[in-house]
Amino acid sequence: SQTIHQWPATLVQPVGSPLSLECTVEGTSNPNLYWYRQAAGRGLQLLFYSVGIGQISSEVPQNLSASRPQDRQFILSSKKLLLSDSGFYLCAWTRSPYEQYFGPGTRLTVT
Amino acid sequence: QQPVQSPQAVILREGEDAVINCSSSKALYSVHWYRQKHGEAPVFLMILLKGGEQKGHEKISASFNEKKQQSSLYLTASQLSYSGTYFCGTDQNDYKLSFGAGTTVTVRA
Repeated sequence: SQTIHQWPATLVQPVGSPLSLECTVEGTSNPNLYWYRQAAGRGLQLLFYSVGIGQISSEVPQNLSASRPQDRQFILSSKKLLLSDSGFYLCAWTRSPYEQYFGPGTRLTVT
Repeated sequence: QQPVQSPQAVILREGEDAVINCSSSKALYSVHWYRQKHGEAPVFLMILLKGGEQKGHEKISASFNEKKQQSSLYLTASQLSYSGTYFCGTDQNDYKLSFGAGTTVTVRA
């Protein structure tokens, strides 16, 4: 069966510090991968998606970036965090056009 | 483009029914439904593909009217465990989902 992992589960970072969140999927090959952000009490905002190694599509221009160094690994990064980057970051995978499964998420607080 | 969900919130007593609607102005390939409990990740409930097939999950079912680009989620004989925020995600066959703002369902004993 397929499993999706995210780490860390929670993170508190000061403004201006760098960020690296990691997501890995097990039990499947060539998945489509996604990064979402959810502000408190709000909906799901798609940040990036990837349909293959090295292929990254950005949905929202911001100070975040994403990379996919391996087939089942997806990384979200920032060089300098802003207060507005706080939120619940969710990684998801799918073999399009079928159901999308979310990882457990990383709760990021920028102070 | 983000689909529109209604209502924003609904309060039910155990055993009551509810309907959540999701509509899009774009032609859809599929509609996905998720439930999110407070502090947790969204959990996949069901997917409805173009063709109008109705899918079910326990006492939760859904329909997809592709002519109107609308989907409805039916909560039948609600249970306390049905509480949470329900999101619809719409797919225009372009590798990604657009999510609605969510409908918060509170089921009371």
